[in-house]
Amino acid sequence: DAMVIQNPRYQVTQFGKPVTLSCSQTLNHNVMYWYQQKSSQAPKLLFHYYDKDFNNEADTPDNFQSRRPNTSFCFLDIRSPGLGDAAMYLCATSTGNEQFFGPGTRLTVL
Amino acid sequence: GEDVEQSLFLSVREGDSSVINCTYTDSSSTYLYWYKQEPGAGLQLLTYIFSNMDMKQDQRLTVLLNKKDKHLSLRIADTQTGDSAIYFCAESPRSYNTDKLIFGTGTRLQVFP
Repeated sequence: DAMVIQNPRYQVTQFGKPVTLSCSQTLNHNVMYWYQQKSSQAPKLLFHYYDKDFNNEADTPDNFQSRRPNTSFCFLDIRSPGLGDAAMYLCATSTGNEQFFGPGTRLTVL
Repeated sequence: GEDVEQSLFLSVREGDSSVINCTYTDSSSTYLYWYKQEPGAGLQLLTYIFSNMDMKQDQRLTVLLNKKDKHLSLRIADTQTGDSAIYFCAESPRSYNTDKLIFGTGTRLQVFP
């Protein structure tokens, strides 16, 4: 089935150790998003790609970077994770007025 | 501002109707959405409504939109235990050139037998 896939589902890293989360899609959508969702909070948009055009939200910390090597894949890099970066990270895709979300990656920072 | 507000909790008995409310602030939003999130999972799009409509029905779900008051509601008929989840409303302000979503704080729906 066409879908949005996130790997891994659970990721544990150490304070300050770089980590990469991945997202892939079989929907061939041109827009891909990364959201951060902390416990009991609403998802918060970090950045998105419109094709290869990168759009960063004004309040996204520099610690968060993203790469989109092709239409299907998008990566979230956290250069130096802090305890405050522990959260669920959601990837979504869109080609119009609907966004389709992946299952998320839960990041734990020790 | 970009605040989308929802009540935090709703508890209903199985078989009753649930009504989840949302207020938003950006009147330019073209679409308004309802998402469902089960524990440890991603967001599932339940339904959405175009801003020129005031009601949309989809099986057990009814969405009502009051643009004048910037009020959106989701009614779930014959609520089941499988409906227990967090429900997020979201708006898509036209000021952004892509369909950026601003989510509400989420309403936790608990269904008891």
